[in-house]
Amino acid sequence: DTEVTQTPKHLVMGMTNKKSLKCEQHMGHRAMYWYKQKAKKPPELMFVYSYEKLSINESVPSRFSPECPNSSLLNLHLHALQPEDSALYLCASSQPTGGTGYTFGSGTRLTVV
Amino acid sequence: EDQVTQSPEALRLQEGESSSLNCSYTVSGLRGLFWYRQDPGKGPEFLFTLYSAGEEKEKERLKATLTKKESFLHITAPKPEDSATYLCAVQTPDYKLSFGAGTTVTVRA
Repeated sequence: DTEVTQTPKHLVMGMTNKKSLKCEQHMGHRAMYWYKQKAKKPPELMFVYSYEKLSINESVPSRFSPECPNSSLLNLHLHALQPEDSALYLCASSQPTGGTGYTFGSGTRLTVV
Repeated sequence: EDQVTQSPEALRLQEGESSSLNCSYTVSGLRGLFWYRQDPGKGPEFLFTLYSAGEEKEKERLKATLTKKESFLHITAPKPEDSATYLCAVQTPDYKLSFGAGTTVTVRA
């Protein structure tokens, strides 16, 4: 299995809602990542988990809360988002050194209304 | 400060018209340079990793090369299905992946 699976594919939420994005991989990778991508822009790193521990937080607002329950799963909990948070949210996984490449999921298209 | 610059921003090619994309970088302690292909609304698809100057890798109509300051992605005899945004990314000593802005390639039949 060489896939990173993200659910849901599309999500529309209000500014007072609480929702979660999910990511799953079964490649034995021990590093997982959340990226945010706005239209016609490159992906921007948000969080890195290495061996299920948060190792990098790129100064992301607290309305985004990551969680890594085990080595295969990564969640991103969303609360009180703003319309400017609308974007494509990408999950990726790799070995901790990234040496064999980073595998990306297809993303969740998030719209905040 | 680490920087990744891709050029051109957009490239329109006729089917069969070969061309090259450029990725120039300034990184302290490059661990690897990655090329990805991204279709609209999809996640990036891994193409190549290059680790040292002089290295080359090929896959079908694509060939990636690396020097100490830049990388090139050569597209030979492109087909319409090669239309996509091609992203270059560098891996820094802290194992982060930093992306360039991408080159959007359109191949007309």
